[in-house]
Parts: sequence; structure tokens; C-alpha cells
Amino acid sequence: EAGVAQSPRYKIIEKRQSVAFWCNPISGHATLYWYQQILGQGPKLLIQFQNNGVVDDSQLPKDRFSAERLKGVDSTLKIQPAKLEDSAVYLCASSWRSQGIGGEKLFFGSGTQLSVL
Amino acid sequence: SQELEQSPQSLIVQEGKNLTINCTSSKTLYGLYWYKQKYGEGLIFLMMLQKGGEEKSHEKITAKLDEKKQQSSLHITASQPSHAGIYLCGAVSLTGNQFYFGTGTSLTVIP
Repeated sequence: EAGVAQSPRYKIIEKRQSVAFWCNPISGHATLYWYQQILGQGPKLLIQFQNNGVVDDSQLPKDRFSAERLKGVDSTLKIQPAKLEDSAVYLCASSWRSQGIGGEKLFFGSGTQLSVL
Repeated sequence: SQELEQSPQSLIVQEGKNLTINCTSSKTLYGLYWYKQKYGEGLIFLMMLQKGGEEKSHEKITAKLDEKKQQSSLHITASQPSHAGIYLCGAVSLTGNQFYFGTGTSLTVIP
């Protein structure tokens, strides 16, 4: 079974530039998550999609970050313009359905490591 | 919001030693997950605990969820260099709509 695919693997940009990340979840997974992981910290949820709808984007800095999942399959996360503090690993994860009390484990991609200079 | 505090923040052990990582929640846990992250890579699912007092083992790793369901521990027996990485606990929010991660524990195993 193919895992969660993310690209690019690494990205280096200068501050104020724009950048986009791509994620293709496991086939059939309705729920897709984007996490930001700053060095030395646990992942922080940025946005959660259920099919092509947004379930939670409360921690997404909407003045500069945007994400979409137009057809309910793959997703893109964009930062425009980037700041130095955006340097982090951006992780994409997917699951069959939203996390519930019954439990659904998340499958993670390898992440995109972003360095903003 | 739910907060998960892990301790210790980092751990360096000699190969063969046992170790324990703790995850404490500010609220009752309805599902507690343990993930491992190799440096520069994605997260790998280890175990999930749901019931108070539940204990699960996989190879040399054992995880427990206490009766009150507000703390979990991850115990590694006879550690090996392959155990090195970042261990993260994660939990589901009361509504079931959000998945939170703990602060993480960095483990180094010295051969």
C-alpha cells in the first residue's frame, strides 16, 4: 500500500518569498491534516480537511497561510509571504475518517523541511 | 484546548538500559497514541490506548494508560540504537475532531 506522499522534501527560500507544499494522502482516506513542527517541539495542527471541507483551521495563520483540497484527494499548503519563523518541517497526515473516540491512527508523510533565510 | 506534557524532554542512555517516557494530560484522555519520529522523517505509529489501566506491548516497548486516564508511560526494555528518535504522544480532543501532540521526548542510545 502506498503511503502519504509529500513534496518537495526540502525547500530553502528567502523571507517574503512564496512557497507551496503538496500532499497526496493514502487512497481512500477522507481526512487530511497539515502539521507544522518547529525544531524541538511536537507537531502543531494547522488545518484538518474532511474530504474537501475544512474541519478545523483555528491555528492556521490565515494572513499568510492557505490550504486547499479541491477534489477531496490531494492538498496544497501555501505560505505567502514567508517569515523567518516559518522555518519548520511541514507534515501531512491522513486517516480513514476524523479522529473519534473509537480511534483512528494517522499515517504520516516524510514531511517537507522548510528553511527561510 | 487539551495539553500534553512529556517528560523528560530529552534522554541519553547507554545501550541495554531500560527507560521510561511520560505523557501527562491536562484533561481526561479518550484515546492516547504513541508515535516515533526518526530525525528528519515522518511519524510512525507505535500504539494506541483507550481504556483506563490498559497496557500494550510491541517487541521491547510497553505503553500504559493509567486508571484515571490522564497519564501514559512508554517503557523501553534493553534499549538499542534503533530505538533512538523522538517519541510523541498524541490524543484526541473531547469532540473527537482534533488530534493533539505532546511536546516530544528526544531519545539517544549510545552503543
